[in-house]
Amino acid sequence: DAKTTQPPSMDCAEGRAANLPCNHSTISGNEYVYWYRQIHSQGPQYIIHGLKNNETNEMASLIITEDRKSSTLILPHATLRDTAVYYCIVRVLYGGATNKLIFGTGTLLAVQP
Amino acid sequence: NAGVTQTPKFRILKIGQSMTLQCTQDMNHNYMYWYRQDPGMGLKLIYYSVGAGITDKGEVPNGYNVSRSTTEDFPLRLELAAPSQTSVYFCASSPPGGPGETQYFGPGTRLLVL
Repeated sequence: DAKTTQPPSMDCAEGRAANLPCNHSTISGNEYVYWYRQIHSQGPQYIIHGLKNNETNEMASLIITEDRKSSTLILPHATLRDTAVYYCIVRVLYGGATNKLIFGTGTLLAVQP
Repeated sequence: NAGVTQTPKFRILKIGQSMTLQCTQDMNHNYMYWYRQDPGMGLKLIYYSVGAGITDKGEVPNGYNVSRSTTEDFPLRLELAAPSQTSVYFCASSPPGGPGETQYFGPGTRLLVL
């Protein structure tokens, strides 16, 4: 699995968009970009995933650069409840259970009132 | 659906004791996983299972054992507990081939070995 690089921490004002960057310069052609988040003391929660097209769901948007070497997770209107550690992970889409999630240390997003 | 449930929520063990961490999912997922998370670190995979009767080692299996007799349950056994096993343990499950095989996590079990 490709290695990802994320800033250790970020701040965001409540109600503003939070843009979380991730570098994955060694990503392979069949690897997807996944985002999970972990609110304090809870289990990780899936947010979104994508291959090369931008993706949007009810939680967030995922913007992947054309060369796929980096991506940005966007929380359009951050709330205090979005304060969490956000993990960017790359993995093959249907690799089975052996296709493990490799969690780095992620980005701690602190949403400020 | 309750999703993935774990018991106990918190446990203190003495060095050398043993215990079983329970994990149950009601989503009929074939794949199940056990992770541990040390303070300030990401999760590391201990063991995983692709279905009843089939288990395999992850990144950090030493000191642990698992079994999978049913689709729903995936208990993690600690034998001869050591202080290095102080951690938070998360169980997860995922459907094979289903929405990106995203994993659904339980609330975790906090284990302290003294």
